[in-house]
Amino acid sequence: DAMVIQNPRYQVTQFGKPVTLSCSQTLNHNVMYWYQQKSSQAPKLLFHYYDKDFNNEADTPDNFQSRRPNTSFCFLDIRSPGLGDAAMYLCATSSTRGANTEAFFGQGTRLTVV
Amino acid sequence: RKEVEQDPGPFNVPEGATVAFNCTYSNSASQSFFWYRQDCRKEPKLLMSVYSSGNEDGRFTAQLNRASQYISLLIRDSKLSDSATYLCVAPSLYGGATNKLIFGTGTLLAVQP
Repeated sequence: DAMVIQNPRYQVTQFGKPVTLSCSQTLNHNVMYWYQQKSSQAPKLLFHYYDKDFNNEADTPDNFQSRRPNTSFCFLDIRSPGLGDAAMYLCATSSTRGANTEAFFGQGTRLTVV
Repeated sequence: RKEVEQDPGPFNVPEGATVAFNCTYSNSASQSFFWYRQDCRKEPKLLMSVYSSGNEDGRFTAQLNRASQYISLLIRDSKLSDSATYLCVAPSLYGGATNKLIFGTGTLLAVQP
């Protein structure tokens, strides 16, 4: 059973049209991450939540926002997508409460901007 | 210096070969490390965790050298199905707790028949 679920798997949006990607988890993990991965590159951390504490990476553009209304859900909002924002967006979760701190990933949302 | 750096790829090896990847990290306080495998257009999946000096799982061995701040992954008897990108992951301390995972650039492995 999928433990980190991202919706949709594929998203096509128009240039400049706001888009929201969603992530849910059944692991009750306290940390949730959003990564952006472009072709042939490693995942790049955009931001993460440590419980309710939001942590933005210094080089994450203002165009990217996030919300975490509760432990299970996290959203990535792209306010005005540009062509350069086309990528795979990966949501991941981890826990700081136990011995195992590895991250579990959703299947990703592949965003196309037209 | 990047927080996590990996060997540049790609590595092209014949079936049955032994191949090793290295990864260096900059945060000396990091305690746990991970190797992930990522297939083309798929999400990363955990291959191995490294919490102490090393870990072994079948054909895969991960070693940690804290003094030199590097982690290695050794794959013995390579299979065609091992072809993938291997990502080294290290935590970056934030607020006194380990809660931000940083990926290396990844190393592409291509096992040839």
